[in-house]
Amino acid sequence: DTGVSQDPRHKITKRGQNVTFRCDPISEHNRLYWYRQTLGQGPEFLTYFQNEAQLEKSRLLSDRFSAERPKGSFSTLEIQRTEQGDSAMYLCASSLGGARSEAFFGQGTRLTVV
Amino acid sequence: AQSVAQPEDQVNVAEGNPLTVKCTYSVSGNPYLFWYVQYPNRGLQFLLKYITGDNLVKGSYGFEAEFNKSQTSFHLKKPSALVSDSALYFCAVRDSGNNYQLIWGAGTKLIIKP
Repeated sequence: DTGVSQDPRHKITKRGQNVTFRCDPISEHNRLYWYRQTLGQGPEFLTYFQNEAQLEKSRLLSDRFSAERPKGSFSTLEIQRTEQGDSAMYLCASSLGGARSEAFFGQGTRLTVV
Repeated sequence: AQSVAQPEDQVNVAEGNPLTVKCTYSVSGNPYLFWYVQYPNRGLQFLLKYITGDNLVKGSYGFEAEFNKSQTSFHLKKPSALVSDSALYFCAVRDSGNNYQLIWGAGTKLIIKP
């Protein structure tokens, strides 16, 4: 499968715990995005990488959230001290460079904080 | 301000009938427009995009969309609906002057009844 893959697909954690999600983009894509989606809503932008550089981070993203993309390949999204409000689907997408390119999404990681 | 509106939360269509899912947008520059579909508990799947040229764009699964600059619309259409088309549909726009940011609509739930 040469699409975007995300791991894990589901994560249940207790409030206050740290969680880390992984995204493997399509190999030739230099752009990588993280989004959050809650039920019945459109994707909410979290952050964006071009190669290994994190070029944009949403102001809505608290300091508890951090993302990395070492060597411009896979990416990780970490949430520290999880809260119930963090429960959502976390989507990763990748694309070629340029404004005309469409993004390809992974199947998402569903986080439930109990 | 850039925005996307999907005025219908839900669209109900009988199988075999034509369907339309509406989208209007607002950007300051030229728009790049995208449609995605999301099945339950899955990531978003790219359907089609308008960048430039012919106003009628054809995409996956028999879908097409018509770009109308004067009405700032990009409605998704299909001549004959299938029950398997039932899903959540998202419209997104990128300003040609913005290299990466996608602005998303809230989504329209499409229900095709047998």
